[in-house]
Amino acid sequence: DSGVTQTPKHLITATGQRVTLRCSPRSGDLSVYWYQQSLDQGLQFLIQYYNGEERAKGNILERFSAQQFPDLHSELNLSSLELGDSALYFCASSPRRGWDRGSQETQYFGPGTRLLVL
Amino acid sequence: AQTVTQSQPEMSVQEAETVTLSCTYDTSESDYYLFWYKQPPSRQMILVIRQEAYKQQNATENRFSVNFQKAAKSFSLKISDSQLGDAAMYFCASTLKGGNTPLVFGKGTRLSVIA
Repeated sequence: DSGVTQTPKHLITATGQRVTLRCSPRSGDLSVYWYQQSLDQGLQFLIQYYNGEERAKGNILERFSAQQFPDLHSELNLSSLELGDSALYFCASSPRRGWDRGSQETQYFGPGTRLLVL
Repeated sequence: AQTVTQSQPEMSVQEAETVTLSCTYDTSESDYYLFWYKQPPSRQMILVIRQEAYKQQNATENRFSVNFQKAAKSFSLKISDSQLGDAAMYFCASTLKGGNTPLVFGKGTRLSVIA
């Protein structure tokens, strides 16, 4: 168990709908990353937040948005869903810079949310 | 931009034997980190091992070790005394120093362990 939690574990919805995926990072971690894993695209980075602020952006569609709240949990919102959005969505967190060089670069993954769009 | 390449889509190993998974990467930066993650059938992404580019010494974690060749930009994972529970997808990944860049992943190698 990495300490990162994600809800829900599974989500089945229809095209055109909107869903929200939730992530709670490990205790004390300030950074949250979202990744999408699909069969044809592999693991793709979507977006990163650090202590409530957007830090980096990857190949995230305009239909997708995210935020990190004051308690450091994060939500990924997916709207106008298409069949191609079906994938496994991971959240990962990393610690703040500490005594362990490399700690803030090391990401710990949650169990993922499996999204199926029908 | 960083790139990570895993050229072996599938590998197999006999139980108790040793197997090496290959990974090459490309980056113009001098300070970066390399990782191997394991993804078993449960689909959980599990950190296996981390290597810091500035360290010449290869990282080891129990039965897992790496062969880090910085000049060749090569980062292979050796699994000794393979166990049935080692069967999984293995992803090589890299990121830059600072914690402000995402992980860039290879496409993965599916490892089968034969009893």
